[in-house]
Amino acid sequence: AQRVTQPEKLLSVFKGAPVELKCNYSYSGSPELFWYVQYSRQRLQLLLRHISRESIKGFTADLNKGETSFHLKKPFAQEEDSAMYYCALAEYGQNFVFGPGTRLSVLP
Amino acid sequence: NAGVTQTPKFQVLKTGQSMTLQCAQDMNHNSMYWYRQDPGMGLRLIYYSASEGTTDKGEVPNGYNVSRLNKREFSLRLESAAPSQTSVYFCASSIGERGNQPQHFGDGTRLSIL
Repeated sequence: AQRVTQPEKLLSVFKGAPVELKCNYSYSGSPELFWYVQYSRQRLQLLLRHISRESIKGFTADLNKGETSFHLKKPFAQEEDSAMYYCALAEYGQNFVFGPGTRLSVLP
Repeated sequence: NAGVTQTPKFQVLKTGQSMTLQCAQDMNHNSMYWYRQDPGMGLRLIYYSASEGTTDKGEVPNGYNVSRLNKREFSLRLESAAPSQTSVYFCASSIGERGNQPQHFGDGTRLSIL
């Protein structure tokens, strides 16, 4: 069965520090991976998807099939990055599977 | 272009009451979904509709029913609310028939069952 894990429930970093939110998945096929962000009391928004390989708001994520990981990274965290981040996995014909989420807190 | 619109935004119910959560999208998407969001558990799929006229159970369907009224609207009904259904409910839609297309979410409905 597909599964997505995000080992950190809460991650606190100082403004300007690098940040890495971890995501690991278990799936034997060729999944598509996404990162969604949810700012306080707002809707979930798509942050990025691995297939597009783009950088949004300074965030990047690389799919590592060998380690079955899709970690989200940003070199210099900003206070406005504080939010809940969800990693999700999908494959054609199947529903999305979301991880439990990591709350990022960027301290001043 | 409002995207995905959910009503109501907040609701408090007593155990045993019933209610319907409404969801509408204006993006001409084929697929629509209902999730519940609980602390530490991420989003769990309740029901989905891959296309107009079809609905299927997700991971946690017990206690819920859905109706895909037309292509735009997908409602979620709690027939007899229980405290375990206290949660934040999100509706989402995607252009494709399930799978790897990004999902677009509504603002959520915060539901409390007393």
